[in-house]
Amino acid sequence: KQEVTQIPAALSVPEGENLVLNCSFTDSAIYNLQWFRQDPGKGLTSLLLIQSSQREQTSGRLNASLDKSSGRSTLYIAASQPGDSATYLCAVSDDKIIFGKGTRLHILP
Amino acid sequence: KAGVTQTPRYLIKTRGQQVTLSCSPISGHRSVSWYQQTPGQGLQFLFEYFSETQRNKGNFPGRFSGRQFSNSRSEMNVSTLELGDSALYLCASSPTAGSGQPQHFGDGTRLSIL
Repeated sequence: KQEVTQIPAALSVPEGENLVLNCSFTDSAIYNLQWFRQDPGKGLTSLLLIQSSQREQTSGRLNASLDKSSGRSTLYIAASQPGDSATYLCAVSDDKIIFGKGTRLHILP
Repeated sequence: KAGVTQTPRYLIKTRGQQVTLSCSPISGHRSVSWYQQTPGQGLQFLFEYFSETQRNKGNFPGRFSGRQFSNSRSEMNVSTLELGDSALYLCASSPTAGSGQPQHFGDGTRLSIL
C-alpha cells in the first residue's frame, strides 16, 4: 500500500533563505509526483508535476526533484518570501492519487 | 477560463441528515475527482468520474456516493451524516481520466456536522 510522508510537518525560516521540503513514498511504481500549495481555507494550487521518467522540474524560484529508486522527492524554494507561507503537499499517482499530510511553511519577514 | 467551482462554500448539517455538494469542472475537462481533507487524515481520495461513469473509488463507506452529468458537472452525496464527516471536501478536474493527469482544484466545500 502506497504511503507518502512529508518531513518536517512545520517549518519557519527567515525571509531570503533557501529551503528544502522533503517527500518520501514507499512504492516506486508511480506515474508521476506532484507538488501543491494550499493557502488557508483554499483549495490546492499545482506547483510542479514530475513524470516518472523525469528527474526534475523547475518553475521560477521552485525546483522539484524525483528519485524513484529511493522513493524521494524534494522541493527547493530559492530566496524565500513571506508570500511563500502556505502548506505544501506532495502527491504520487499510481492507480490513485495519494497525498502526504503536508509541510506548513512560515516565512518570517 | 474559469476555474473549478464548488458550491456551496460552507455547509452546516446535523447528524443523520444527508448532503449534496456540487462541482463544476474547468470547461473542456471531462474527469472530476473528489477528496476529503481532515486535520487527522489529511487528503484522501473519494472517487473519480469520467464520462458519467465512476472510474475509481477510494476506501470510504457506501454512504459516500457521487455522479457526473453529461456536461461533466459532478455531485457528491453523503447520507446519514456522522460527526466524523466534518471536513473540507475538494473537487479536482482534469482533461481526461487517469491519475497521471495534472489536477486542478476548486476551493472546496467546508462541511460541519453538529
